[in-house]
Amino acid sequence: LAKTTQPISMDSYEGQEVNITCSHNNIATNDYITWYQQFPSQGPRFIIQGYKTKVTNEVASLFIPADRKSSTLSLPRVSLSDTAVYYCLVAGVNYGGSQGNLIFGKGTKLSVKP
Amino acid sequence: NAGVTQTPKFRILKIGQSMTLQCTQDMNHNYMYWYRQDPGMGLKLIYYSVGAGITDKGEVPNGYNVSRSTTEDFPLRLELAAPSQTSVYFCASRQGARGAQHFGDGTRLSIL
Repeated sequence: LAKTTQPISMDSYEGQEVNITCSHNNIATNDYITWYQQFPSQGPRFIIQGYKTKVTNEVASLFIPADRKSSTLSLPRVSLSDTAVYYCLVAGVNYGGSQGNLIFGKGTKLSVKP
Repeated sequence: NAGVTQTPKFRILKIGQSMTLQCTQDMNHNYMYWYRQDPGMGLKLIYYSVGAGITDKGEVPNGYNVSRSTTEDFPLRLELAAPSQTSVYFCASRQGARGAQHFGDGTRLSIL
């Protein structure tokens, strides 16, 4: 099972770019990388997903190096409302659609200050 | 669309009692999941279902049961509540085995 390691916490200021790195040294060939955001008292919310290289959507970018042993979530110009916990999830699809390897780590608590 | 709806939002149980946490989704998703989240921790998968009539265990299934009689509903059953089951429970769904999971707002369960 691919385990992930993220910084426990990060601080930033409004308007800055924030990069959160996740290490997943034993990622498998069929694993993909997904990032979620969670606010207090709410369920996680999908941010972005990728398999390799770079993926960008309207809220974030995801950078994955060639060896795929890490990934970096990039949040451009953060605001106070980006204060949340960010989870990196590395999981694959086994034969028959088995989902038993869906394991969330402890996440990174991002605090954005004025 | 309501998305994923969980009921109740809060519940206090006594040790040994049983209850069912309800989860329903209106997105016609085939995959559904139950997670628990302890304070300061990530989510742990309890059970999941890849479609009506099909369920399977996740990382922490002991003490729980599930059923999936329809596409929309995926209830989680606690038969003999124990203090170790005090947690926040999240239900999620998605179409297919990859892509975004859509989460409900959770059920906060305390067992005293």
